[in-house]
Amino acid sequence: AQSVTQLGSHVSVSEGALVLLRCNYSSSVPPYLFWYVQYPNQGLQLLLKYTTGATLVKGINGFEAEFKKSETSFHLTKPSAHMSDAAEYFCAVSANYGGSQGNLIFGKGTKLSVKP
Amino acid sequence: GAGVSQSPRYKVTKRGQDVALRCDPISGHVSLYWYRQALGQGPEFLTYFNYEAQQDKSGLPNDRFSAERPEGSISTLTIQRTEQRDSAMYRCASSQLTGVGNTIYFGEGSWLTVV
Repeated sequence: AQSVTQLGSHVSVSEGALVLLRCNYSSSVPPYLFWYVQYPNQGLQLLLKYTTGATLVKGINGFEAEFKKSETSFHLTKPSAHMSDAAEYFCAVSANYGGSQGNLIFGKGTKLSVKP
Repeated sequence: GAGVSQSPRYKVTKRGQDVALRCDPISGHVSLYWYRQALGQGPEFLTYFNYEAQQDKSGLPNDRFSAERPEGSISTLTIQRTEQRDSAMYRCASSQLTGVGNTIYFGEGSWLTVV
């Protein structure tokens, strides 16, 4: 069985500070990993994904995440927070190795607040 | 359409009533997915289709829940004899093709409240 744990349901940072959102996964097979973001009153939007290859993945809006197999982690970072980054972020793992992306297992989400 | 469209956006229904939620995926997208998200939780997979064929319905919680996509485009998620525990946001998503190389696009969701 696969699972995702996001540490911290709420994270608050100052504008310009480093953003670090933590995600740990459990998977019996090599995982595919995703970060999604939900801005207020909008649908979920894919930020970035890891399938194979380079373990440091770059996404939209300056975000990146690093797959660390030894730590079973896929933390999301951004060097400098912007007010527009305030949103809820979800980490997800695919449920079927090599299968459809549809059967994703999501974490509970982390709400990011950015203080001026 | 330009994005995944869901209707109604908000639905309040009485316990015991049937509810139908509609999803109009991005034009030409092969795969369509339904998720449910309770307050304070992440989205939970319900079912998905490739074209009109339901590929996986392992996430449907019980037989009161059903979904169809008869012509391979618009899909309907139906909940019969609704219960208060069914209250949640129901998210629809679509992707051009199936497989992890393809990005899934989510709609804004349908909020269901059962009173």
